[in-house]
Amino acid sequence: GAVVSQHPSRVICKSGTSVKIECRSLDFQATTMFWYRQFPKQSLMLMATSNEGSKATYEQGVEKDKFLINHASLTLSTLTVTSAHPEDSSFYICSARDPDSGGPYEQYFGPGTRLTVT
Amino acid sequence: DAKTTQPNSMESNEEEPVHLPCNHSTISGTDYIHWYRQLPSQGPEYVIHGLTSNVNNRMASLAIAEDRKSSTLILHRATLRDAAVYYCIPGSYQLTFGKGTKLSVIP
Repeated sequence: GAVVSQHPSRVICKSGTSVKIECRSLDFQATTMFWYRQFPKQSLMLMATSNEGSKATYEQGVEKDKFLINHASLTLSTLTVTSAHPEDSSFYICSARDPDSGGPYEQYFGPGTRLTVT
Repeated sequence: DAKTTQPNSMESNEEEPVHLPCNHSTISGTDYIHWYRQLPSQGPEYVIHGLTSNVNNRMASLAIAEDRKSSTLILHRATLRDAAVYYCIPGSYQLTFGKGTKLSVIP
């Protein structure tokens, strides 16, 4: 099946700094990628939908100036958490749709990135 | 988005079949029914999806009620590696994750 990778898998940063998380589709081209956030013992919450070559669509309550999303190619989307604070500590997960495989709306998820802001 | 109701947790003995229920009474006519599962500290993994007919794949079977207001994910022989949170997600373009069912498999 289609594979999605994320880098880094874990990151610790100081409050006030910015962190970039990469999401790559390894063996398919993903016109659409999604970014989720998951707090401990909670479910995944969709943050934004990223379409290659256009601006991301953010869910209500997600600050677009704080969570910068760039989908510059068909295999790479990046999420930058700007001026990170301890409350941004979470598990960030991306997913991608492979338009050529499986069901019409099947998503393939990355392994996640654990962000800890100290 | 359709609202879903799943048991918070279920237990199964290893090698036994498991039936994971999901109610989605407000599902729209065009929504697919997706099932994903998530192991601890990992991203979700696609399990199966269907629209109206029952579906089988190498991982599981999906039984969909005739009125589509409920569905059941069937793991034919649970293994320890099947211990995960299982999410039932009616929808199409976007996936909205609920709380899911935490499945424990007892050796």
